[in-house]
Amino acid sequence: SQQGEEDPQALSIQEGENATMNCSYKTSINNLQWYRQNSGRGLVHLILIRSNEREKHSGRLRVTLDTSKKSSSLLITASRAADTASYFCAAQGGSEKLVFGKGTKLTVNP
Amino acid sequence: ETGVTQSPTHLIKTRGQQVTLRCSSQSGHNTVSWYQQALGQGPQFIFQYYREEENGRGNFPPRFSGLQFPNYSSELNVNALELDDSALYLCASSLFLAIQETQYFGPGTRLLVL
Repeated sequence: SQQGEEDPQALSIQEGENATMNCSYKTSINNLQWYRQNSGRGLVHLILIRSNEREKHSGRLRVTLDTSKKSSSLLITASRAADTASYFCAAQGGSEKLVFGKGTKLTVNP
Repeated sequence: ETGVTQSPTHLIKTRGQQVTLRCSSQSGHNTVSWYQQALGQGPQFIFQYYREEENGRGNFPPRFSGLQFPNYSSELNVNALELDDSALYLCASSLFLAIQETQYFGPGTRLLVL
């Protein structure tokens, strides 16, 4: 079963707009990670936020984590056509495995 | 580029056959994890190897097995293939059991079982 659930399942925006994706998970975590996947290829690690962190930034990416609500959000600012991809959150609990959601498919129109 | 490579890129097999997928980890990484990603789904954890020993397994039957070699390359073997085994298989390498560590994914092997 998949622990993370992304919302929305699909998102279409115009270049320059911001994109926000949300993720919910079910059990306690050590960290939550966000990955990007282009056209069914390999996953690219974007950012890791630990359970004791509330917000983290990396370039145009901003991730928040609310452990009381078991939720996280990924904000991509000033989106570009090259940001078109599927985005997955992955929760890591007390073990080594990552538990992924089904992903959000983002389309950025030029 | 993550430094993780996988071979082959695509593979077609028939039901009942056996398949071996290969992964070459990023240099110095002692942990490799394998994931199965069905179409339209997120990746699901199959198992992890640390220093050539299995270290954690997901909800997959024993016909899914693996090996990790001293040079940190690894294999995923699947026996008695079923149609539902059709998926993208991803390996990911990391340091130190991958806890609180970034995992670096390869490009995947797309397996089609007919």
